[in-house]
Amino acid sequence: GQQVMQIPQYQHVQEGEDFTTYCNSSTTLSNIQWYKQRPGGHPVFLIQLVKSGEVKKQKRLTFQFGEAKKNSSLHITATQTTDVGTYFCAGGGADGLTFGKGTHLIIQP
Amino acid sequence: DGGITQSPKYLFRKEGQNVTLSCEQNLNHDAMYWYRQDPGQGLRLIYYSQIVNDFQKGDIAEGYSVSREKKESFPLTVTSAQKNPTAFYLCASSREGAQYYEQYFGPGTRLTVT
Repeated sequence: GQQVMQIPQYQHVQEGEDFTTYCNSSTTLSNIQWYKQRPGGHPVFLIQLVKSGEVKKQKRLTFQFGEAKKNSSLHITATQTTDVGTYFCAGGGADGLTFGKGTHLIIQP
Repeated sequence: DGGITQSPKYLFRKEGQNVTLSCEQNLNHDAMYWYRQDPGQGLRLIYYSQIVNDFQKGDIAEGYSVSREKKESFPLTVTSAQKNPTAFYLCASSREGAQYYEQYFGPGTRLTVT
């Protein structure tokens, strides 16, 4: 079945530094979704990418979908303490999503 | 105020007992899902339902059962056959037929079985 791998598992940064998490799929994806889960909370949808090579921005967050539609990345510029949490990528559709294991972002003030 | 509710937030059971987790949504979504999350891990799909009275097994359905008698409700039963039931259980829903199948998650139920 489809496998989605995500690296790194943990990332410690100083507040103000940049952060990037990478996602790779064993198969071509129809779309990639990104979710954020705050400590003790539930996943919240951030964005979805559908087109090959697509790039989308949300304020300090930049999302990319690879040309082959098998990889994706999330980059956060100048991290803030509110960015703390776990970021998950997921592929799939109506029959459910396959999630990566997530990248835990830890920010040191 | 639309959303997904899960109850209870914390649940404790003795080994050998079946337990049912509640999931209700008022988003008028057709599709509903159950995921399991273990510490430090991603989410794994247990069951999903795209319409009332129909549901499909996900990647880790063994030891679980579901029903979908109403559009709004998708309860999950963790049976005594589930070998490692202690986990964080998340229910989600999405629009059927939408171009993007983004999922809306409930607050989750933390189940501890001893």
